[in-house]
Amino acid sequence: ETGVTQTPRHLVMGMTNKKSLKCEQHLGHNAMYWYKQSAKKPLELMFVYSLEERVENNSVPSRFSPECPNSSHLFLHLHTLQPEDSALYLCASSQDLGLRGYTFGSGTRLTVV
Amino acid sequence: GNSVTQMEGPVTLSEEAFLTINCTYTATGYPSLFWYVQYPGEGLQLLLKATKADDKGSNKGFEATYRKETTSFHLEKGSVQVSDSAVYFCALSGTGGYNKLIFGAGTRLAVHP
Repeated sequence: ETGVTQTPRHLVMGMTNKKSLKCEQHLGHNAMYWYKQSAKKPLELMFVYSLEERVENNSVPSRFSPECPNSSHLFLHLHTLQPEDSALYLCASSQDLGLRGYTFGSGTRLTVV
Repeated sequence: GNSVTQMEGPVTLSEEAFLTINCTYTATGYPSLFWYVQYPGEGLQLLLKATKADDKGSNKGFEATYRKETTSFHLEKGSVQVSDSAVYFCALSGTGGYNKLIFGAGTRLAVHP
């Protein structure tokens, strides 16, 4: 148990579907992150939330929409995705925005068909 | 800007061999340095960290020393096992703004019996 739980672990969706990824942490952390990990590419930071406010959005297409309703939960809403969006989506949390490192979830393996 | 450079993989070793994975960084100020490990199908796990120059982080037989003079944080293990096969990521905490972690590209390690 890493302290950061992501659901679902695997997701297959069509390009016209709408789905959501969920991340939950009970570590008392005040920052949460979404990363995308594609085969043979570096980790891509997508979004950063600090104290439930979005502080970074790294030019992510609007078909990805994050939501942070409170400090323990983070969602990534997906709609009209493309096959190249297939990847492992990782959630992480931290205290003090990274000075002591991040705690990662196990990820959601997304396949867009 | 801040950046992390890791040696390219894959690194292939026989069991009980000595491991070194090189990591160098560029940063202003005094970042904290981290090694993360990702086992197949999992998220990233913090392996070890060092927060100031000359600190040595260690865990599970792995070690890395924060060398400010050479801006390096090389990962070493004296005798690797098959179970160490994974992808290893070097990272630093940003020294400005909100201190987000900056990751290297990752190095895949394959250990054969």
